[in-house]
Amino acid sequence: SQKIEQNSEALNIQEGKTATLTCNYTNYSPAYLQWYRQDPGRGPVFLLLIRENEKEKRKERLKVTFDTTLKQSLFHITASQPADSATYLCALPDTGRRALTFGSGTRLQVQP
Amino acid sequence: DTEVTQTPKHLVMGMTNKKSLKCEQHMGHRAMYWYKQKAKKPPELMFVYSYEKLSINESVPSRFSPECPNSSLLNLHLHALQPEDSALYLCASSENHGLATQETQYFGPGTRLLVL
Repeated sequence: SQKIEQNSEALNIQEGKTATLTCNYTNYSPAYLQWYRQDPGRGPVFLLLIRENEKEKRKERLKVTFDTTLKQSLFHITASQPADSATYLCALPDTGRRALTFGSGTRLQVQP
Repeated sequence: DTEVTQTPKHLVMGMTNKKSLKCEQHMGHRAMYWYKQKAKKPPELMFVYSYEKLSINESVPSRFSPECPNSSLLNLHLHALQPEDSALYLCASSENHGLATQETQYFGPGTRLLVL
C-alpha cells in the first residue's frame, strides 16, 4: 500500500541553524511533491512544489530536494527563525484516487 | 484575493443536532474540497467538487452531506454526528481538479467541531 513517512518526533533547533525535514514515500511514482506549513488550529499553507525532473527548488530561505530513486524529499530552512516554528507537511498526488495525500507532518520548534 | 473563508470558527453540537459548515472562495477556482483533521494527524480528504459536481466521496458516512450551491460556495451539512467526529474541518480550493496539472490547494482556517 502507498505510504508517506515524515519524522513524527518534533525537531528542535537553535535560531540561525538550518532545519532539515524528511519525507519518504513507498509505492508511489509521483510526478511532483508539495510541501505545506501548518500552524496550530489553522489550515495548511502551500510553500513549494517540486517536479520529478527537478532535483532542487529554492524559494527565499527554503530549499527542497527530490530524489525519485531514494523516494525521498528533503526540506531545508536556512537561517531558521522562531517564526518558522510550525508543522510541515509533504503531500503527494495519488493518481488512483485523483487526490493529494498528506504525510503526518513534522513539528519544527526553533529556539531563540 | 487568495483567501478561503470558513464559518463558523468553532461549533459545539449535540448528537441530535443539525448544523452546517460554510466555505467561500472568490479566486475563481473550480475545485473545492472538504478535509477532516484530527489532532497530530494529517488532513484526510472527505469530498471533492469539480465544476460544482461531486467528483470524489471518500466513503464518508451519510451523516455528512456536502453541497456546492455555486462555484464560490461549499457547504457541509451535519446531522446525528458522533463524538468521534470531533475534529478540525478544513475547506480548500484549487484552480481545477486535475492532478496532472499540479494544482496547489488553498486552505481555509478550518472549523473546530466538538460533538457532545
